[in-house]
Amino acid sequence: LAKTTQPISMDSYEGQEVNITCSHNNIATNDYITWYQQFPSQGPRFIIQGYKTKVTNEVASLFIPADRKSSTLSLPRVSLSDTAVYYCLVGGLFSGGYNKLIFGAGTRLAVHP
Amino acid sequence: AAGVIQSPRHLIKEKRETATLKCYPIPRHDTVYWYQQGPGQDPQFLISFYEKMQSDKGSIPDRFSAQQFSDYHSELNMSSLELGDSALYFCASSPPRTSDSYEQYFGPGTRLTVT
Repeated sequence: LAKTTQPISMDSYEGQEVNITCSHNNIATNDYITWYQQFPSQGPRFIIQGYKTKVTNEVASLFIPADRKSSTLSLPRVSLSDTAVYYCLVGGLFSGGYNKLIFGAGTRLAVHP
Repeated sequence: AAGVIQSPRHLIKEKRETATLKCYPIPRHDTVYWYQQGPGQDPQFLISFYEKMQSDKGSIPDRFSAQQFSDYHSELNMSSLELGDSALYFCASSPPRTSDSYEQYFGPGTRLTVT
């Protein structure tokens, strides 16, 4: 499993776009990049997953450069409710229940009024 | 939509006692994962089950055991509890298409306090 490095914390204001970058220099060819969000005392929530280029859903966008050694989670127009810890995870996908999530140190995002 | 159910939500035990945590996955999900999150820490993978068989194992102490039953619910059994076992325990489930997604659905967690 590739090691990931993210900022420990970030601050933003309501209505701004937030970009959280994750470094994963040792990513393997078959590894995917996944982001989770966690609010205090709640279980993590899947945000987005990608392999290369750009992925977008109703919540966020994920940008992955060609070398795949980093990725950027983009949250458009954040609100106070986006205050949470964001985790970047990297790993290969397998069948049969082997896709355990290995959480590293996430990014604590604080959104201010 | 149905979500992952965990019970109890809160549990207080004394040292050396035993505890059983239960998890009911989303219907038709065939994989269950257990995670432990200590105070101020990141979630740590404990163990997983696929189609009622143990599929993967993480940093689960030997004092802990788990199983998945025929109705796909899972139980985490913890014995000889220690103060350091105080944590939030999350169960997550995922649907049969696990080979193309890391999307897991987490329950609300069980907060275990060992005194």
